[in-house]
Amino acid sequence: SQKIEQNSEALNIQEGKTATLTCNYTNYSPAYLQWYRQDPGRGPVFLLLIRENEKEKRKERLKVTFDTTLKQSLFHITASQPADSATYLCALDRGNAGNMLTFGGGTRLMVKP
Amino acid sequence: DAGVIQSPRHEVTEMGQEVTLRCKPISGHNSLFWYRQTMMRGLELLIYFNNNVPIDDSGMPEDRFSAKMPNASFSTLKIQPSEPRDSAVYFCATSTRGGNEKLFFGSGTQLSVL
Repeated sequence: SQKIEQNSEALNIQEGKTATLTCNYTNYSPAYLQWYRQDPGRGPVFLLLIRENEKEKRKERLKVTFDTTLKQSLFHITASQPADSATYLCALDRGNAGNMLTFGGGTRLMVKP
Repeated sequence: DAGVIQSPRHEVTEMGQEVTLRCKPISGHNSLFWYRQTMMRGLELLIYFNNNVPIDDSGMPEDRFSAKMPNASFSTLKIQPSEPRDSAVYFCATSTRGGNEKLFFGSGTQLSVL
């Protein structure tokens, strides 16, 4: 069966450190993968999109990698700040040109000052 | 632009009642998605519209759920009759080109069915 797995346990790190979140998938062949941030009581907000032919993408303190062989994406936040505390969701397309995104369960990040 | 607008923000109803959730997409966005979020199941895709036409409704849980998009600026998700297990946050999201581009989410409707 198809699965998108993110660590359901909260990730606690110290301010200034690099946070690394993982997204693993099985039985998908996505053409692209997206990362979103969700704060309590709000809808998810888009952060980054990476396509299957891209190994890495960066935006300010954010970096995403996409390994289609390992079927894994890593999401890094460098020089983390307490304001980065939120739930981070990965999402990928179903790979059938249906243009529909399926989301993982999300990982909650807590950055302590 | 005001973003994706959903109403109501909160809805409390009794089992058996009809519930209608509303969504106004961002102007110019031709793809619209309805998602449901719960602690147990996460964010689930219910239905996808493209150019006002339902493309995939395989995520709609039961016949009690129906969705319409009568024009490019309005969509509804209806539950009739509602049940306590329908309690969740319902999100509407839109984009310019399906899931190939980023989705813009509304603030969601928190539905509680008693």
